[in-house]
Amino acid sequence: NAGVMQNPRHLVRRRGQEARLRCSPMKGHSHVYWYRQLPEEGLKFMVYLQKENIIDESGMPKERFSAEFPKEGPSILRIQQVVRGDSAAYFCASSPWTGGTEAFFGQGTRLTVV
Amino acid sequence: AQSVTQLGSHVSVSEGALVLLRCNYSSSVPPYLFWYVQYPNQGLQLLLKYTTGATLVKGINGFEAEFKKSETSFHLTKPSAHMSDAAEYFCAVSPPDNYGQNFVFGPGTRLSVLP
Repeated sequence: NAGVMQNPRHLVRRRGQEARLRCSPMKGHSHVYWYRQLPEEGLKFMVYLQKENIIDESGMPKERFSAEFPKEGPSILRIQQVVRGDSAAYFCASSPWTGGTEAFFGQGTRLTVV
Repeated sequence: AQSVTQLGSHVSVSEGALVLLRCNYSSSVPPYLFWYVQYPNQGLQLLLKYTTGATLVKGINGFEAEFKKSETSFHLTKPSAHMSDAAEYFCAVSPPDNYGQNFVFGPGTRLSVLP
């Protein structure tokens, strides 16, 4: 059973471009979470999704950021018109339906905006 | 709403010394509790978790944690630190129901192990 897969591992974008980060959850997991981590800082929750539904997006910036978890395919975190402040590591985690089960993390995507 | 505090953003111990990383939570009901470790440029890896049952939980790499409901704490300990334990440690909670569990993470504690 493969772990949570994130790609790309590293992404460089110029200011104003779009960044698309992909996350394939572990097999059988229907819950996906996205977090952002700045250097020397902790994890900041962004969004929690289930298949075709956004459950909690209270951590998502109101503009330029969006996330989806379609019926088929990976979860996508999309950042439009990136700015230097978007440079960070973005982590995806997944968990199954059952409460009490831990979240399994991917290796992260490190976004650099130049 | 749930919240997690970790006392001490940076803890230094000597190799062979006791490791104690503190975690306190705020929740209307006892949540599920987790400790994760993050090595540089890596994702988070589960160390241990508490859901129900015995309040002293043993995890990987010799770590353990004790859930104390009266103190709303879930401190992480290891009797003897090893150089390889140097990493960032995160405490996390999730609500004890079967729907819509969301994980709330503490700010993290960076552990340094001195030779």
